[in-house]
Amino acid sequence: NAGVTQTPKFQVLKTGQSMTLQCAQDMNHEYMSWYRQDPGMGLRLIHYSVGAGITDQGEVPNGYNVSRSTTEDFPLRLLSAAPSQTSVYFCASSYSWGTGGTGELFFGEGSRLTVL
Amino acid sequence: QQQVKQSPQSLIVQKGGISIINCAYENTAFDYFPWYQQFPGKGPALLIAIRPDVSEKKEGRFTISFNKSAKQFSLHIMDSQPGDSATYFCAASGWGKFQFGAGTQVVVTP
Repeated sequence: NAGVTQTPKFQVLKTGQSMTLQCAQDMNHEYMSWYRQDPGMGLRLIHYSVGAGITDQGEVPNGYNVSRSTTEDFPLRLLSAAPSQTSVYFCASSYSWGTGGTGELFFGEGSRLTVL
Repeated sequence: QQQVKQSPQSLIVQKGGISIINCAYENTAFDYFPWYQQFPGKGPALLIAIRPDVSEKKEGRFTISFNKSAKQFSLHIMDSQPGDSATYFCAASGWGKFQFGAGTQVVVTP
């Protein structure tokens, strides 16, 4: 049982380049989300999805796109990378969401991105 | 601005001592309050969680105290061990959105 798998683990980009961070989960979770982690800022929600075909913005969505074509996959796209997007990115999934049903978030091991 | 404020930023405690981390939230719609533990190079993992209908939850050496009227909750780590050295995040959640605190780095000295 792999849980939440993120690829790549490390990536270096030049300003203006685009790339996709991949996230896959094998737990049949409806809820998936992307966070960025920066020193002193905790984890900030970028985008989330409550099911295939449904996505919504989080706290810091600018410069990122997502889509959810299957239950298992939730890729995060950087359209035109900027140095401010240098961060560690975490994908997380959960079996439930909503009032009274919010469940445990299962995190991947992270993708460390550096934008030069 | 962060809707969940966490303190202290860092904490050094001797083996066997008590670690206490505090969090305060603003949004009364939050209905789930977890604590996550993160080791270097790893993703956060759920440690313990509480819902607002109880004031305390204990799991082994870890206890959450929850004060709904003050909109505050805290994590107590009893008999701290070197293996507890990690970064701890509090969070508050409602309707699919988790708000995390900034994190507390805990170092347990032998």
